Amino acid sequence: EPEVTQTPSHQVTQMGQEVILRCVPISNHLYFYWYRQILGQKVEFLVSFYNNEISEKSEIFDDQFSVERPDGSNFTLKIRSTKLEDSAMYFCASSAGTVPIRGQFFGPGTRLTVL
Amino acid sequence: EDKVVQSPLSLVVHEGDTVTLNCSYEVTNFRSLLWYKQEKKAPTFLFMLTSSGIEKKSGRLSSILDKKELFSILNITATQTGDSAVYLCAVRDNAGNMLTFGGGTRLMVKP
Repeated sequence: EPEVTQTPSHQVTQMGQEVILRCVPISNHLYFYWYRQILGQKVEFLVSFYNNEISEKSEIFDDQFSVERPDGSNFTLKIRSTKLEDSAMYFCASSAGTVPIRGQFFGPGTRLTVL
Repeated sequence: EDKVVQSPLSLVVHEGDTVTLNCSYEVTNFRSLLWYKQEKKAPTFLFMLTSSGIEKKSGRLSSILDKKELFSILNITATQTGDSAVYLCAVRDNAGNMLTFGGGTRLMVKP
């Protein structure tokens, strides 16, 4: 079965550094998402992306965050100047349409640790 | 703001037991409710429910939605140790595609 993949699996960075988290969504999917899960807390929506633009974003997704689909396969999340509170598991997800019969498919996540 | 509450927070059972996990929600313009299983990392999709009273079933797992009382249950019969995981409930409203997750129920199935 096709899968969403993410790299790296674990990223450690210093506060104030920029990080780019990478995702390869399922190939025929058109909608892409980023979620995060701080340790011990709920999964939280960050942003959704369709047709090369952001379709929705949450309050968490401030000016420090950006997303991009640089080519036909990758979908990236950039955090410009990381803060300690950005430490979390970041999940990428994709879906075939706006009303996906099988929900959104999640990748394995990237654990971001900001020191 | 959409709100999803799951109960219990955690549950320990023995193999062969039946469990019922609960999810209640407050959503403006409800569209669908989804159940996911989260083991080590990625949530994996179990069910999506949009209509009241229609049971979705997959093997030993089943789920049903009550749109009047604003809740859903996930049943697992004849539990196995492989069912040990965090079970997440999420809702989607008509405003867009974002999912609002509950805090999850941590299920541990002992041999």
